Amino acid sequence: NAGVTQTPKFQVLKTGQSMTLQCAQDMNHEYMSWYRQDPGMGLRLIHYSVGAGITDQGEVPNGYNVSRSTTEDFPLRLLSAAPSQTSVYFCATIGQYYEQYFGPGTRLTVT
Amino acid sequence: AQRVTQPEKLLSVFKGAPVELKCNYSYSGSPELFWYVQYSRQRLQLLLRHISRESIKGFTADLNKGETSFHLKKPFAQEEDSAMYYCALISTQGGSEKLVFGKGTKLTVNP
Repeated sequence: NAGVTQTPKFQVLKTGQSMTLQCAQDMNHEYMSWYRQDPGMGLRLIHYSVGAGITDQGEVPNGYNVSRSTTEDFPLRLLSAAPSQTSVYFCATIGQYYEQYFGPGTRLTVT
Repeated sequence: AQRVTQPEKLLSVFKGAPVELKCNYSYSGSPELFWYVQYSRQRLQLLLRHISRESIKGFTADLNKGETSFHLKKPFAQEEDSAMYYCALISTQGGSEKLVFGKGTKLTVNP
């Protein structure tokens, strides 16, 4: 079992560029979520999904889109990258007892 | 609104000393609380959850409903305990569960 995987590990974008952060899980968990981690801000929820075809906004959704066409995949799209989106992004699933399983993270820099 | 507060951004102790990482929460129902740990440049991992009343790596946490606290304790800190620690609460909004994280405490255990 790979658990939760994320690609890429690192990415540098220029302001205005778009890109998709990939997240995949092989644990058959219905619930998936995206967080960003910034110094002094902790983890903030961007978007989440309770199952295929269902997504909802978290605490900081602006500038990001998500879709959930399959149980396994939950990509995060940056529509027009801004320096304020420089962060480390974590994808996570929730297990049977509400424990979260995190991916290894994507470190994004927007210049 | 549900909230998790970790009052200390940084905590530094010496090896062998007791350590307590504070966590306070606000929640209207019966909370489900967790501690997550993130070692340097690694993904977050579940450390323990209050419902299982377990001790992991020597750490324990007791839920105190009167004080709305879930402090993480270890009697003798080790250098390998140096990490970021996040307290988290399951929040139910609109029928779906979300984890609400505190901003984290960076623990440094000095030799």
